Amino acid sequence: SAVISQKPSRDICQRGTSLTIQCQVDSQVTMMFWYRQQPGQSLTLIATANQGSEATYESGFVIDKFPISRPNLTFSTLTVSNMSPEDSSIYLCSVALRVGNEQFFGPGTRLTVL
Amino acid sequence: DAKTTQPPSMDCAEGRAANLPCNHSTISGNEYVYWYRQIHSQGPQYIIHGLKNNETNEMASLIITEDRKSSTLILPHATLRDTAVYYCIAQWEGNFNKFYFGSGTKLNVKP
Repeated sequence: SAVISQKPSRDICQRGTSLTIQCQVDSQVTMMFWYRQQPGQSLTLIATANQGSEATYESGFVIDKFPISRPNLTFSTLTVSNMSPEDSSIYLCSVALRVGNEQFFGPGTRLTVL
Repeated sequence: DAKTTQPPSMDCAEGRAANLPCNHSTISGNEYVYWYRQIHSQGPQYIIHGLKNNETNEMASLIITEDRKSSTLILPHATLRDTAVYYCIAQWEGNFNKFYFGSGTKLNVKP
């Protein structure tokens, strides 16, 4: 398994600002992902964070709005840019140790945009 | 990835077995069935997964029908701490671990 931490755990932000969420894993992992969970909804995959290259985004998500970095095999960041109240969600990081393995999820970052 | 269908909610008495069904009638031969649960907005927790054969671990058992069009997650002795949303996901190993979550089943374990 893997132990995943996220910072911050929660934040309240003003519209028009940006927030960067960090995801740290206690071991090197092959795959890292970012999900969004809007209030009362299921999880939606935002993108796959690729080490050393640009992230792969799912339909409906773009790099300008959700830039992602992954400088090494244990760390990734997701930035929510130019926030609006519709961005209020829980943002979750997940990892897979190897392709084909199960994913492990972080505790999430609860974002409220006013 | 195959679409999965689950009942929106189920009740279970504490100490009894909880049987959570999942329909994945369009599943392909190389798609695994994964089960996760999410307790009150925490990060989802991995439970179990399988391809064809039934699987059991310390948390649960997974029963997959012979035609693979449906499966059942069994929690043998449900406790109040098992109250959560349970997600069934069909995932193709070739799509690099990407998970597409459905709406899940809210399991309410009652005393």
